[in-house]
Amino acid sequence: ETGVTQSPTHLIKTRGQQVTLRCSSQSGHNTVSWYQQALGQGPQFIFQYYREEENGRGNFPPRFSGLQFPNYSSELNVNALELDDSALYLCASSLAPLPGAQYFGPGTRLLVL
Amino acid sequence: GQQLNQSPQSMFIQEGEDVSMNCTSSSIFNTWLWYKQDPGEGPVLLIALYKAGELTSNGRLTAQFGITRKDSFLNISASIPSDVGIYFCAGQLSGAGNMLTFGGGTRLMVKP
Repeated sequence: ETGVTQSPTHLIKTRGQQVTLRCSSQSGHNTVSWYQQALGQGPQFIFQYYREEENGRGNFPPRFSGLQFPNYSSELNVNALELDDSALYLCASSLAPLPGAQYFGPGTRLLVL
Repeated sequence: GQQLNQSPQSMFIQEGEDVSMNCTSSSIFNTWLWYKQDPGEGPVLLIALYKAGELTSNGRLTAQFGITRKDSFLNISASIPSDVGIYFCAGQLSGAGNMLTFGGGTRLMVKP
């Protein structure tokens, strides 16, 4: 059984650029959630994808967008990067969009200069 | 937004001691999850709790889902150096699907 994988592991961008982060869900999981974790804080929910559609969104602006593909993998896109977007971006997968365990990938560390 | 108050924020303990940390909220949660995060890695699930009053163990770890559904605690018995890390509680609010709300974390540091 393959766990959650994310790419790239690290990324450096400059303010105003756009970035795409990728996530492959754990085998058998059809729901993917994205979280942003600033240094020294707990993760904050960005949004969730189920059946290739957004299925819930946290308090993040529209320049944060995503996709889910038929194989359940997902992308997080961030446009017009700001310095405060520097964070660890975590992807988590679950069996369904129902209360229960979520399993996290190792994250992508994004630095915006 | 919703907040989980996690305490303590950090703690030093002697190897072999027991550790206790907890999370409280003003909101009712359907599920409580406890994760451990090591530097540079993603959170790893330790224990999941699904019913009020539930007490669940995973090796030296024991967690409980509070009766009021507004709190949870995690105990670690006989701590060892590899217990070092940041422990997060996370809850799933009633009516909010499986979106996780995280506490601020407890940084555990063990004196060898």
